[in-house]
Amino acid sequence: QQQVKQSPQSLIVQKGGIPIINCAYENTAFDYFPWYQQFPGKGPALLIAIRPDVSEKKEGRFTISFNKSAKQFSLHIMDSQPGDSATYFCAASKGNAGNMLTFGGGTRLMVKP
Amino acid sequence: KAGVTQTPRYLIKTRGQQVTLSCSPISGHRSVSWYQQTPGQGLQFLFEYFSETQRNKGNFPGRFSGRQFSNSRSEMNVSTLELGDSALYLCASRFVTTDTQYFGPGTRLTVL
Repeated sequence: QQQVKQSPQSLIVQKGGIPIINCAYENTAFDYFPWYQQFPGKGPALLIAIRPDVSEKKEGRFTISFNKSAKQFSLHIMDSQPGDSATYFCAASKGNAGNMLTFGGGTRLMVKP
Repeated sequence: KAGVTQTPRYLIKTRGQQVTLSCSPISGHRSVSWYQQTPGQGLQFLFEYFSETQRNKGNFPGRFSGRQFSNSRSEMNVSTLELGDSALYLCASRFVTTDTQYFGPGTRLTVL
């Protein structure tokens, strides 16, 4: 059972555009929601993370929006650059559950120059 | 500070063989987790170790096992390899007081 659903699977935007990637979760016990960026041949790298007690978090050009009642969260990339072209994964985990991240299926983003 | 290191980076094995992958966490990180990444199933949690004890285990058959040493380094073993075990195996480490996991570059396993 897929507990974190991510959309879209792929996304193409022009440089300067604002790609938005959405995730929905089922398990209300989840309380930590990170986003990872992965380049080919590399491991995932943490971009930004949020907890359910806040509705939005910004770090540089990356923003997470969180809707607890809808059990959804999204990643916005402001002023996107060709160097942002990568695969993005949302994930979720439960407190005191250690390292067990449940990942979404991933979104392959291409930013055209 | 050095990141998470994994060895080897690439492996080719044949069906029925077994394989051992190694992970060295970031210095000071005592929690190590393993994930399998495939195009079809995405990123899936295998298991987590802390202080040489397995704390969590994902939904994988018993052919997948792991261990952690006193210096926090970890190994995972896959016995009786199947074609479907071909994947990128990722190791991640963290301080136990935080949720942030840092991933290594992975070991690409190909089973022929």
